[in-house]
Amino acid sequence: AAGVIQSPRHLIKEKRETATLKCYPIPRHDTVYWYQQGPGQDPQFLISFYEKMQSDKGSIPDRFSAQQFSDYHSELNMSSLELGDSALYFCASSPPGTSEGDTQYFGPGTRLTVL
Amino acid sequence: AQSVTQLDSHVSVSEGTPVLLRCNYSSSYSPSLFWYVQHPNKGLQLLLKYTSAATLVKGINGFEAEFKKSETSFHLTKPSAHMSDAAEYFCVVSDPDSGYSTLTFGKGTMLLVSP
Repeated sequence: AAGVIQSPRHLIKEKRETATLKCYPIPRHDTVYWYQQGPGQDPQFLISFYEKMQSDKGSIPDRFSAQQFSDYHSELNMSSLELGDSALYFCASSPPGTSEGDTQYFGPGTRLTVL
Repeated sequence: AQSVTQLDSHVSVSEGTPVLLRCNYSSSYSPSLFWYVQHPNKGLQLLLKYTSAATLVKGINGFEAEFKKSETSFHLTKPSAHMSDAAEYFCVVSDPDSGYSTLTFGKGTMLLVSP
């Protein structure tokens, strides 16, 4: 079965640089979520999109922005990177409908290292 | 507001012995509850999900969890541990009252399995 695809899998950036993370949801899933997992931490919700509109917002810094495109893929844009942004960034997607719509399927993550 | 408490940060078992990972939740309404597993340097894999259809939920790899509303618990069990079960386990709650489903993660329980 197709899974959530994230690219790149690993990314190394310098402080103050920008980064773009991409997420391709499972086919026919209409909602995408972004999470940040710091070292030894549980995943923290950043932001979500439903049908290309922002649906919910968590602890996402103002330096970060995201969007969902017409093909449902999503991109997380991170500017003015700080050392503390080093983390594993997960994307998840969920299918339409109320019975399964709350089940999120996670991608493998992008490991961002800021030097 | 919803919250999750995983009562043990680490659980150590011997291969072939039972596994019990404890989770208590707090939610304003009828939540959906999940267990996810994360192997080292890997993404989050859905183990099982509770959505009020049945209080005993069977998941993948022989795991199951029992929802007990009176105790606000959703403990994860497995009759016989395998070496490959060594991983971090997250108990997760989703409250549909939020409109769109935002997952709240517990802090995780690291399961260690010794031969």
